[in-house]
Amino acid sequence: DTAVSQTPKYLVTQMGNDKSIKCEQNLGHDTMYWYKQDSKKFLKIMFSYNNKELIINETVPNRFSPKSPDKAHLNLHINSLELGDSAVYFCASTSPWGTEAFFGQGTRLTVV
Amino acid sequence: QQQVKQSPQSLIVQKGGISIINCAYENTAFDYFPWYQQFPGKGPALLIAIRPDVSEKKEGRFTISFNKSAKQFSLHIMESQPGDSATYFCAASVPSGYALNFGKGTSLLVTP
Repeated sequence: DTAVSQTPKYLVTQMGNDKSIKCEQNLGHDTMYWYKQDSKKFLKIMFSYNNKELIINETVPNRFSPKSPDKAHLNLHINSLELGDSAVYFCASTSPWGTEAFFGQGTRLTVV
Repeated sequence: QQQVKQSPQSLIVQKGGISIINCAYENTAFDYFPWYQQFPGKGPALLIAIRPDVSEKKEGRFTISFNKSAKQFSLHIMESQPGDSATYFCAASVPSGYALNFGKGTSLLVTP
């Protein structure tokens, strides 16, 4: 049973489109994250949610909007996609008492 | 601004050799220093972590050495195996921090 699952695994779309990536964790964790991994493999935090409340919102264009319907889910919606948005997006979660982050398998977004 | 600096960017080691990856940080508020291992097409997974109250932590073939005064920590992989070939990331976070600050990663290749 996958701990942190993301869908889709691959996403190819045209510039200007709107797309969503879904994430679900079955670990009972309170905190969920979105990280972006660029072509040079650099991992950077985008958003952090704790119990459905936005905690961290790094300097990410407001075309990116996270939504947490409940503490097991954190979705990422991206409007007006640009070529520079092409990257691998990782969802992760941590428990309130622990520090280990569990990552999903990633969503490779390609904007053409 | 890169909060955790990692070197080298890539590393080639012969099977049975020692792999050493170094990281440095500036923020003295960091109190948790994990290393993550990432295989192609997968999300990062926690390998080993240390807190600044100890200078070394060993788990199997993997050892973290931590130098608080120098603000540096390193990962040593003893008896490196081809299966260790992956990208390794050091990271750091502050107490009750909601995000990991990652280094830029080291691509390790262990040759047979």
